[in-house]
Amino acid sequence: GAVVSQHPSWVICKSGTSVKIECRSLDFQATTMFWYRQFPKQSLMLMATSNEGSKATYEQGVEKDKFLINHASLTLSTLTVTSAHPEDSSFYICSATLRGNQPQHFGDGTRLSIL
Amino acid sequence: AQTVTQSQPEMSVQEAETVTLSCTYDTSESNYYLFWYKQPPSRQMILVIRQEAYKQQNATENRFSVNFQKAAKSFSLKISDSQLGDTAMYFCAFMILNTGGFKTIFGAGTRLFVKA
Repeated sequence: GAVVSQHPSWVICKSGTSVKIECRSLDFQATTMFWYRQFPKQSLMLMATSNEGSKATYEQGVEKDKFLINHASLTLSTLTVTSAHPEDSSFYICSATLRGNQPQHFGDGTRLSIL
Repeated sequence: AQTVTQSQPEMSVQEAETVTLSCTYDTSESNYYLFWYKQPPSRQMILVIRQEAYKQQNATENRFSVNFQKAAKSFSLKISDSQLGDTAMYFCAFMILNTGGFKTIFGAGTRLFVKA
């Protein structure tokens, strides 16, 4: 149980393109979803916390207009990287929890490469 | 500031032996949760073990156990009878409740190699 699906797993696109990443909880309702960015051989850096039906809470230094997060239902959150540039290339990971203080269930991650 | 420190970037252990991964953290909160997550080469993060800060008893999960020292803010992970499948990146993390909701802070990770 507690499966989180993240799609796509890998995307390569041109600079200036907007890219949408989906995070779905397949067998449970996730009240909270998290979006992380992970650089090679480094830890996960929290980008934002997304609660269903409300605006995402962004971490300091993360541009809200650059990384648009939508959590329209209890099973789906999306991260849109707008007007992506090469410096946005990274590994993006989502996670979901049934309740805030429960362990997170992670998606497989999305490798984003901007040319 | 809330921080998690994993002082061992890489470790190796012989199959069937025991290894301990260290983790220290810093927080002014009194109530929080501690986790060890595993990230195999396949990339998906998996929960290894969880500890509530208000519980004194150390959590155990089969071959995995923790040594939780709240006063010292230490949360080490012991892996007994190491298996080849334990090769992965291990992240220590703690979770607190702040104004924006629950937030998890991760350490830099320890890469563990289990040798045959």
